Amino acid sequence: NAGVTQTPKFRILKIGQSMTLQCAQDMNHNYMYWYRQDPGMGLKLIYYSVGAGITDKGEVPNGYNVSRSTTEDFPLRLELAAPSQTSVYFCASSFDRGRGYEQYFGPGTRLTVT
Amino acid sequence: DAKTTQPTSMDCAEGRAANLPCNHSTISGNEYVYWYRQIHSQGPQYIIHGLKNNETNEMASLIITEDRKSSTLILPHATLRDTAVYYCIVLHGSSNTGKLIFGQGTTLQVKP
Repeated sequence: NAGVTQTPKFRILKIGQSMTLQCAQDMNHNYMYWYRQDPGMGLKLIYYSVGAGITDKGEVPNGYNVSRSTTEDFPLRLELAAPSQTSVYFCASSFDRGRGYEQYFGPGTRLTVT
Repeated sequence: DAKTTQPTSMDCAEGRAANLPCNHSTISGNEYVYWYRQIHSQGPQYIIHGLKNNETNEMASLIITEDRKSSTLILPHATLRDTAVYYCIVLHGSSNTGKLIFGQGTTLQVKP
């Protein structure tokens, strides 16, 4: 299994541009999550999904959108990028409550907005 | 979910046990304690979790006090590769989302 994969690894955006961060998992996990981590800080939850077609906001959803059309994929969309969105973005997935909430994380996407 | 308190940083000598404390004095009966770590620039990695009994796996041991208000993660023989930020997180057992709320964590520096 590849686990959780994220693309791209690095990206530089200009203010006002848009982009989609890709996340995929091959472990048949129902639950998927997007986090951001600013320098020297802990992770903040942006959005999460408990299954295909179901998404909900986390702690810091403003400026982002998500969709979950399949179990495997959970893309994160940035519209009108701002310097405050410069961060490292991590995607994660887990089984549901019945099998424990151990989350598996991807390697991250490092985004700079200038 | 209950809030956790951890020391900002700790040092440990290579080969010795690393004992990382976590305070969760407002934990409720159905809340689990989870530990993750983040090695520099990588995604966090799950270590262990428990409810009230002590737990052990191939990576670490988790000791939870009888009143469940605090816990200790033990890395029995720390290596340089264990240098990382360690996060203690409380998660409700009835949660339908599995959302993790990360704090600042403890930066563990393992020294030769």
